[in-house]
Amino acid sequence: EAGVAQSPRYKIIEKRQSVAFWCNPISGHATLYWYQQILGQGPKLLIQFQNNGVVDDSQLPKDRFSAERLKGVDSTLKIQPAKLEDSAVYLCASSRVRNYEQFFGPGTRLTVL
Amino acid sequence: GEDVEQSLFLSVREGDSSVINCTYTDSSSTYLYWYKQEPGAGLQLLTYIFSNMDMKQDQRLTVLLNKKDKHLSLRIADTQTGDSAIYFCAETLYNNNDMRFGAGTRLTVKP
Repeated sequence: EAGVAQSPRYKIIEKRQSVAFWCNPISGHATLYWYQQILGQGPKLLIQFQNNGVVDDSQLPKDRFSAERLKGVDSTLKIQPAKLEDSAVYLCASSRVRNYEQFFGPGTRLTVL
Repeated sequence: GEDVEQSLFLSVREGDSSVINCTYTDSSSTYLYWYKQEPGAGLQLLTYIFSNMDMKQDQRLTVLLNKKDKHLSLRIADTQTGDSAIYFCAETLYNNNDMRFGAGTRLTVKP
C-alpha cells in the first residue's frame, strides 16, 4: 500500500509570512496526526483528527497554527504568521484507529529566516 | 522537559550488539514503541510492546520492559552499518491521545 504523502518536502520563508503543508494519509486510515519535530528533539503532537473531527489540539498554538481535514481524508496545516521558532520538521502520520500503529510521512522541513 | 528520556549517542562496531535504553515516567503507559528515523525520512515503527509483557523478540531486535523501574531497552543483535540512525522511544496511555517521544538516540555503527 502507498505510504503517507506530504508536500512540500522543504520550505524556506521569512518570518511573518504564511505557509501551508499538505498530507495525504494511507487509504482507509481514520486517524491523522500532525507532529512538530524541532532539531535534536522527539516529535511533539500538534493535532489529531478522527475522520474529519478534531480529537486533540491541546498543544496547537492556535493564535498562529490552524489545521483542517474537511473530507476526512487529506489534511492541511497552516502557520500564519510564522516565527523563527517554528523552524522544524512537520510530520504527518496516520493510523487505522486511535493509539494504534502510526505510519509516518517523510515530513516537511520548514526554515523560517 | 521530556517525559521519556534517552541517552543521546551510542557508537558500536559492526557485528556487535547495540543496546539503547529509555526511561519513562508514566506508570499507566499501555504501549511502548521503538521508532527508527534515517536522515531525511519519517519515523519507521520497529517494534512495540504492551505494558503487560516483559520481553518481545523479533529477528535481530529484542525489547525488554522493566515496569517496576519504568525502563525500556532495545537490543539490536549483529548491528550493521545500515542500522545507523536515530532511535526514538515512545509511550501512549490507554485513554490519552498523545504519543510522547524521547529525544532520540543517535546510533553510529563503525565498520
